[in-house]
Amino acid sequence: IQVTQSPSTLSASVGDRVTITCRASQSISSWLAWYQQKPGKAPKLLIYKASSIESGVPARFSGSGSGTEFTLTISSLQPDDFATYYCQQYNSYWTFGQGTKVEIK
Amino acid sequence: EIQLLDSGGRLVQPGGSLKLSCAASGFTFASYAMSWVRHAPGKGLEWVSSIYGGGSTTHYADSVKGRFTVSRDNSENTLYLQMNSLRAEDTAIYYCAKGTEYSSSSSFDYWGQGTLVTVSS
Repeated sequence: IQVTQSPSTLSASVGDRVTITCRASQSISSWLAWYQQKPGKAPKLLIYKASSIESGVPARFSGSGSGTEFTLTISSLQPDDFATYYCQQYNSYWTFGQGTKVEIK
Repeated sequence: EIQLLDSGGRLVQPGGSLKLSCAASGFTFASYAMSWVRHAPGKGLEWVSSIYGGGSTTHYADSVKGRFTVSRDNSENTLYLQMNSLRAEDTAIYYCAKGTEYSSSSSFDYWGQGTLVTVSS
């Protein structure tokens, strides 16, 4: 299963609403996760099963979608949120999207 | 507190072998599937291999199938990745990651700090 993430880079300001999209090449039901990765650090799980928020993750992060189309939304971008975000399907083995780098505008 | 400590990465020549380890603590290791994920320079994350809790079921990415072998020692709470016939394109930071289920696909809720493997002559 291929996973296509867009955009590859996103420039935004603190306080902006940010949306990242992930599309699967076939239906994966809700078996999709979102991760945040900062330079030199391991990825951190944000969202699992498409819309379930991991414990300890701020409520400004939310996920939606099912089937083949999914979104990660950050309702009000904070300074700590500038990072690279990856989606991951786990319906059939595991595949990561190409990543979206969220940069300061 | 759940901790995963990756180790074993180093510089190795093309065609060489290397064994990575991941020492786990803070949870019942045998109850969860474990995986290896790598991050090559300038590229995105790539799933490498997974092993279910009992150790009898394993899965591999096509890029490493036949060259890498994942295993686990549930008595020592340790995950391993034996890497043979290494190529330059295997150069990456390798992370171990904990699944949220014993024997099915799941997201990865805890990650090691990563260990760098460099394949170069």
